[in-house]
Amino acid sequence: AQKVTQAQTEISVVEKEDVTLDCVYETRDTTYYLFWYKQPPSGELVFLIRRNSFDEQNEISGRYSWNFQKSTSSFNFTITASQVVDSAVYFCALLPGYSSASKIIFGSGTRLSIRP
Amino acid sequence: EAQVTQNPRYLITVTGKKLTVTCSQNMNHEYMSWYRQDPGLGLRQIYYSMNVEVTDKGDVPEGYKVSRKEKRNFPLILESPSPNQTSLYFCASSSEVTDTQYFGPGTRLTVL
Repeated sequence: AQKVTQAQTEISVVEKEDVTLDCVYETRDTTYYLFWYKQPPSGELVFLIRRNSFDEQNEISGRYSWNFQKSTSSFNFTITASQVVDSAVYFCALLPGYSSASKIIFGSGTRLSIRP
Repeated sequence: EAQVTQNPRYLITVTGKKLTVTCSQNMNHEYMSWYRQDPGLGLRQIYYSMNVEVTDKGDVPEGYKVSRKEKRNFPLILESPSPNQTSLYFCASSSEVTDTQYFGPGTRLTVL
């Protein structure tokens, strides 16, 4: 089965704390792509990162970092020194396979609230 | 500015009254897709299109139609809307299926 699980439905932290959003995926394909999107209260979906299955290197972009571990089928997202503007719903997504029939699968999202 | 546009942004309608939500992208993308977002369910794909005149069903296609007569446009048609189609709809596009999808601003539809 192809599936993305974001077990944390809601997380609330105080500003400046570090927070990690978990994402676990399932796929039998050896080639696949993983994504994170942010949905702020205004509702739009903002692309954050795309990672292919052959690149397990962790990535850092400012206060954001991503930890991709194929051994545990996880692609976790960490925000360091969180800010109120980070409050949003975050979606992890999987695009399994590499064909015209590939369909992206989204997790159910994690609502992150940063308290001042 | 590279973007995906959707219209209308908000729509309240009644059961059975046909409606169309337009989607347009200016990035010359080949792949376009429609999703619906419902609380607790994330985003689910309704239909997608690999190119002009090539469309296929996603995971929840029942009650929807699409067409792709031009590369830039991918309208979503609800022939006879029902209350269970009340949702937030997103259109997205990418240069090809494995590339990053860029989303439109969303259309909030309420069917009474």
